[in-house]
Amino acid sequence: QITLKESGPTLVKPTQTLTLTCTFSGFSLSTSGVGVGWIRQPPGKALEWLALIYWNDDKRYSPSLKSRLTITKDTSKNQVVLTMTNMDPVDTATYYCAHTVVEDAFDIWGQGTMVTVSS
Amino acid sequence: SYELTQPPSVSVSPGQTASITCSGDKLGDKYACWYQQKPGQSPVLVIYQDSKRPSGIPERFSGSNSGNTATLTISGTQAMDEADYYCQAWDSRPVVFGGGTKLTVL
Repeated sequence: QITLKESGPTLVKPTQTLTLTCTFSGFSLSTSGVGVGWIRQPPGKALEWLALIYWNDDKRYSPSLKSRLTITKDTSKNQVVLTMTNMDPVDTATYYCAHTVVEDAFDIWGQGTMVTVSS
Repeated sequence: SYELTQPPSVSVSPGQTASITCSGDKLGDKYACWYQQKPGQSPVLVIYQDSKRPSGIPERFSGSNSGNTATLTISGTQAMDEADYYCQAWDSRPVVFGGGTKLTVL
């Protein structure tokens, strides 16, 4: 059974860097084809894809946020970490991580973690 | 950048068929998938690779994709199907989501 869980701060100040961790079980990020993505959703708004990392360390980023995002993996810990720099109140959202296989759907999602950006 | 367009809302009577569209340039040349999201919950995959249903998704959910439009069809819509629905596709590496459609079962 695949599960994912997001963790990180619930409140960050403007201009700070956000670091989120996705801890997963039921699969390995060293298995060919497997990936973990990050998606966010501002309150009352649509889903927005942020970043994706694959088993072979191939990394992909949203073109509009690429300069602010870094995604890394720790295969031994079954974790994927997303950092987003220069946080702004418009980045207030629920952040999800999700499992995927190469260019396929996000089939299993975490419960999400709400991040508020405010001074 | 690539965009997927969905109607903001769709209404359907219980027992009837609901159709939710997702439009994008040459979308039929890509795989489309659909997610259901109920208030306060994480999205759930209901259709992948245009028309495949994950295990546990009821048969009343079906999908198609041709030309510039992908369609999610819910046959015999039930009250429990009231939710937001999002389409998603891949465009040369980046992932793209549609703006979402609120399905109301009246």
